[in-house]
Amino acid sequence: RKEVEQDPGPFNVPEGATVAFNCTYSNSASQSFFWYRQDCRKEPKLLMSVYSSGNEDGRFTAQLNRASQYISLLIRDSKLSDSATYLCVVNMGYQKVTFGTGTKLQVIP
Amino acid sequence: GAGVSQTPSNKVTEKGKYVELRCDPISGHTALYWYRQSLGQGPEFLIYFQGTGAADDSGLPNDRFFAVRPEGSVSTLKIQRTERGDSAVYLCASSKGTGDTGNTIYFGEGSWLTVV
Repeated sequence: RKEVEQDPGPFNVPEGATVAFNCTYSNSASQSFFWYRQDCRKEPKLLMSVYSSGNEDGRFTAQLNRASQYISLLIRDSKLSDSATYLCVVNMGYQKVTFGTGTKLQVIP
Repeated sequence: GAGVSQTPSNKVTEKGKYVELRCDPISGHTALYWYRQSLGQGPEFLIYFQGTGAADDSGLPNDRFFAVRPEGSVSTLKIQRTERGDSAVYLCASSKGTGDTGNTIYFGEGSWLTVV
């Protein structure tokens, strides 16, 4: 089993739609969690951290479920500019940081 | 500059040659990471430095790959006897690495390596 797993997609959604991605992780001792965004041929950039209590940043909401070992990202009112690959990132402790394969999102006009 | 700097940005080399990729992290960041990313894949962990020492090199694929960070700042990833399968973008990242596992990791733009 991979340490961090994501559905690669692509998710093709119309503008204005709500879309959600999940990511599962295998190490129950994992300590911190993030979503990164990566545009084509660019480096990954931090989108948001994920906290146990859940957190929201504008149209983006991240959730962590430690019992089931998954994190989620919800995007509301999708924009064309949201088209990118979304990478789930898990810090396994001692700064070992593992990335998922990424979920590709394409927002369609 | 304020961000992570990587050189060269692009490198084309012949199979069997030796390659060095350089990373200059954000000033003051003690943690430095190397990742490799192939088309359609997420970044694959190679090695992590805390200061000058390699805290975790479990991701290096074989003994042709080696990385150093002699003064705890700039790091060099060295690849010997390159193979076509080594073609990928090599991403360097850094973080404050103070022990707080919530530290944000910042990436450079990557070094795009093509082995022909």
